[in-house]
Amino acid sequence: TQLLEQSPQFLSIQEGENLTVYCNSSSVFSSLQWYRQEPGEGPVLLVTVVTGGEVKKLKRLTFQFGDARKDSSLHITAAQPGDTGLYLCAGEELSGYSTLTFGKGTMLLVSP
Amino acid sequence: DTEVTQTPKHLVMGMTNKKSLKCEQHMGHRAMYWYKQKAKKPPELMFVYSYEKLSINESVPSRFSPECPNSSLLNLHLHALQPEDSALYLCASSQEFDRDYNEQFFGPGTRLTVL
Repeated sequence: TQLLEQSPQFLSIQEGENLTVYCNSSSVFSSLQWYRQEPGEGPVLLVTVVTGGEVKKLKRLTFQFGDARKDSSLHITAAQPGDTGLYLCAGEELSGYSTLTFGKGTMLLVSP
Repeated sequence: DTEVTQTPKHLVMGMTNKKSLKCEQHMGHRAMYWYKQKAKKPPELMFVYSYEKLSINESVPSRFSPECPNSSLLNLHLHALQPEDSALYLCASSQEFDRDYNEQFFGPGTRLTVL
């Protein structure tokens, strides 16, 4: 079973600050997906990274996939209260069936 | 249509009740999933259906019984549940199951409370 270590687990910041969330593994993934989840709702897919070294931007969010496809990061610039939520990274296993290995999540609270 | 829908949104049931959760997608996806999520934890995979056939059962107790009537619908039948089964139940779908780069799209979930 592949493990995905996600850090930090909790982050409480002020509006306008920058932050980075990390997902690390010793295993290689064929792709890595980032989700954001609000309380009582299902996870919403933000982005999928596939190629080693890939960088994707979604407004103030920047996602990077490590060169070896074992790690990923999410950077948020000038965080807004609307960014508050649980951020989950999920790696898709390299071969066979495409089940997802989830990180434990990062609970982000952005205060006005 | 890029949406996965789930009904009901909330469900409260007793330990002797029988109820069903429903999930629907119209994206033409051939893989559908059930997950269980406890508070402040990541989703845990329960079942995977690929082309309407059960592909994975992650050692889920028999009081949970999945059903895939067709490629757009997924049900989860519940019977004789325990209070510890209270959780958010999530349905997801993806284009295929046995291929690389397979994005999963989640529904809004059913909040289940077992009394």
